[in-house]
Amino acid sequence: EVVMTQSPATLSMSPGERATLSCRASQSISSNLAWYQQKPGQAPRLLIYGASTRATGIPARFSGSWSGTEFTLTISSLQSEDFAVYYCQQYNDWPLYTFGQGTRLEIK
Amino acid sequence: EVQLVESGGGLVQPGRSLRLSCAASGFAFDDYAMHWVRQGPGKGLEWVSGITWNSGRTGYADSVKGRFTISRDNAESSLYLQMNSLRAEDTALYYCAKDRHYDILTAPDYWGQGTLVTVSS
Repeated sequence: EVVMTQSPATLSMSPGERATLSCRASQSISSNLAWYQQKPGQAPRLLIYGASTRATGIPARFSGSWSGTEFTLTISSLQSEDFAVYYCQQYNDWPLYTFGQGTRLEIK
Repeated sequence: EVQLVESGGGLVQPGRSLRLSCAASGFAFDDYAMHWVRQGPGKGLEWVSGITWNSGRTGYADSVKGRFTISRDNAESSLYLQMNSLRAEDTALYYCAKDRHYDILTAPDYWGQGTLVTVSS
């Protein structure tokens, strides 16, 4: 099973700042990685798939990148609505798709 | 507008069964693969199961394999999850989610609001 490790567990930042969230895969998953945002009481929302492709309707301030087994979600300038929990998910290892444990992005 | 509405959750005793349903609308249901993903109370997301457009391919997490069965009825635009031999650790909010493809399972792009399953005596 591919283990996805997200860091940090919690990120405290201020609106307007640039946020960088990381996700590491325990083995190669090519670019088969997605990022989701989840706010309290809501379902997850797909932000990024294919490691770097923004989903429909996702603002350009969200971007994804990767190198090897290291994946990064960057939010260029934090807006108040961006404070939430973020999950990465690998969909390379069928059928053992796995999520990371999440990064909580909180207001500093 | 894509809508996914789950139902069938509730309180059930360990060892018993439950069948979840997901009613889909706003898109051509038979053109997409579908998923079930769950989230335990205060916990992260766990992928549970997936099925391709024509039910030709299904997959399960190890934690539910042999106990859960995913199915779909394209004529009714509905997705199902039959859950047998339920355990306390199956307690979670169960989400129905739509994939972006029809014949492979990738990253779900639309999610329902979930139905809560509580396994307790």
